[in-house]
Amino acid sequence: QKEVEQDPGPLSVPEGAIVSLNCTYSNSAFQYFMWYRQYSRKGPELLMYTYSSGNKEDGRFTAQVDKSSKYISLFIRDSQPSDSATYLCAAASGGSYIPTFGRGTSLIVHP
Amino acid sequence: GAVVSQHPSRVICKSGTSVKIECRSLDFQATTMFWYRQFPKQSLMLMATSNEGSKATYEQGVEKDKFLINHASLTLSTLTVTSAHPEDSSFYICSARGDRFTGELFFGEGSRLTVL
Repeated sequence: QKEVEQDPGPLSVPEGAIVSLNCTYSNSAFQYFMWYRQYSRKGPELLMYTYSSGNKEDGRFTAQVDKSSKYISLFIRDSQPSDSATYLCAAASGGSYIPTFGRGTSLIVHP
Repeated sequence: GAVVSQHPSRVICKSGTSVKIECRSLDFQATTMFWYRQFPKQSLMLMATSNEGSKATYEQGVEKDKFLINHASLTLSTLTVTSAHPEDSSFYICSARGDRFTGELFFGEGSRLTVL
């Protein structure tokens, strides 16, 4: 079992929809949780970062972490075609601080 | 966010030659840099972690003699693929972080290597 599991999709939604992206993890030592967005043939860019459990909101993006169920979520409100990309979740422990990445979910927002 | 520059973005080489990829942190000092390899529709596979001034730590299964990593300064790390073969063709991405861990890794734009 991989330490961070993520459904690769693709997930196709109409413009304006609320998107829910999810990951599960198995390592109880993970304390730092991140979401990255990666456009085709580009390096990933950090979208959201959270520490421990809880919610964090930034514009149209909301990240949620539930450590009790080892579940990580990213919500995108009012999705736009420009949101079409691969979204990677990642988690790191306080010991190594080296993120472990999920395989990414491909999101397609069609007009 | 901080800027990490990676060069070249694309390189095509003949089998048996060596290729060097540079990763620079432009506006911060990167005490730690990471090198990843990414296959199509796959996640980032960590190859090695390098700290400035010390030898890189390679992940299991990554040949250190094949993938030479140098992190000679706080702003520059290089990955050299030696005696490249077609199976080394891939997307290589570097990332960097500064002294204080904030959960943020800053990624380069990636380098597409094609070995003929």
